[in-house]
Amino acid sequence: DQQVKQNSPSLSVQEGRISILNCDYTNSMFDYFLWYKKYPAEGPTFLISISSIKDKNEDGRFTVFLNKSAKHLSLHIVPSQPGDSAVYFCAATQAGTALIFGKGTTLSVSS
Amino acid sequence: GAVVSQHPSWVICKSGTSVKIECRSLDFQATTMFWYRQFPKQSLMLMATSNEGSKATYEQGVEKDKFLINHASLTLSTLTVTSAHPEDSSFYICSASVSSLYEQYFGPGTRLTVT
Repeated sequence: DQQVKQNSPSLSVQEGRISILNCDYTNSMFDYFLWYKKYPAEGPTFLISISSIKDKNEDGRFTVFLNKSAKHLSLHIVPSQPGDSAVYFCAATQAGTALIFGKGTTLSVSS
Repeated sequence: GAVVSQHPSWVICKSGTSVKIECRSLDFQATTMFWYRQFPKQSLMLMATSNEGSKATYEQGVEKDKFLINHASLTLSTLTVTSAHPEDSSFYICSASVSSLYEQYFGPGTRLTVT
C-alpha cells in the first residue's frame, strides 16, 4: 500500500513557465514533508520541506503548498529552467521515523 | 558542505559472490546512516538504519543476514550484499544525518548488477 503517491510519472513544461508537481499521501499522521531532486546516476538532493503546521513554504523559485484536508502537497517551480529537468521525489515522515518516498515525477523543461 | 560519497559507483559481480559498498560522510560526522534501494521507476525504499557503534535496524522484509551493515565510525558505513543473486541487482543509495532524520544527505548511489 503506497502511502505517498506521485500519480504523474512525467511532466513537460516550457522554459519560463510554471511547473507544478503533485503528491498525495494517505497517512494523516505524517508531520513533515520533503521534496528531493534527482539526476540520473546521482543521489537525491534536498530541495524544500514543509511542516504539517504550515500550508506554504517558499525558497526562491520553489514553493511547496500543503493541503492537509485533502492530504495533498504540491511543488511549484517558477520560472522553470532547463536545468530543473530531473526526477522529483516527494517524501513524508511521521515523528522522525523513516522517510517514505513517492515513485517520482520526471520533469522536462524545454527551452 | 554535507557531502556523502559512495564507492564503488558501479559494480558487476557473479551470482553467489559478495559485494561491499562503502558510504562516507566527507565533511561531517554522521550519527545515523541510512541505506536505500531503488528499482527502476520505483520509490527509494529504506532498507536499514544504522547508528555508529550499534547494530543496524532493518525494515520489514529486508534480510539482515543477506544485507550486512556495519557502521564502525561516524564517517563510514558499509553495506555488504552476501551471496548475491540477479534479483539483488538494483541501485543502492546511502544517506547520512547529523542530528535529525529530516536532514539527510544522500550519496550518489551504487549500481549493482549481478550476473
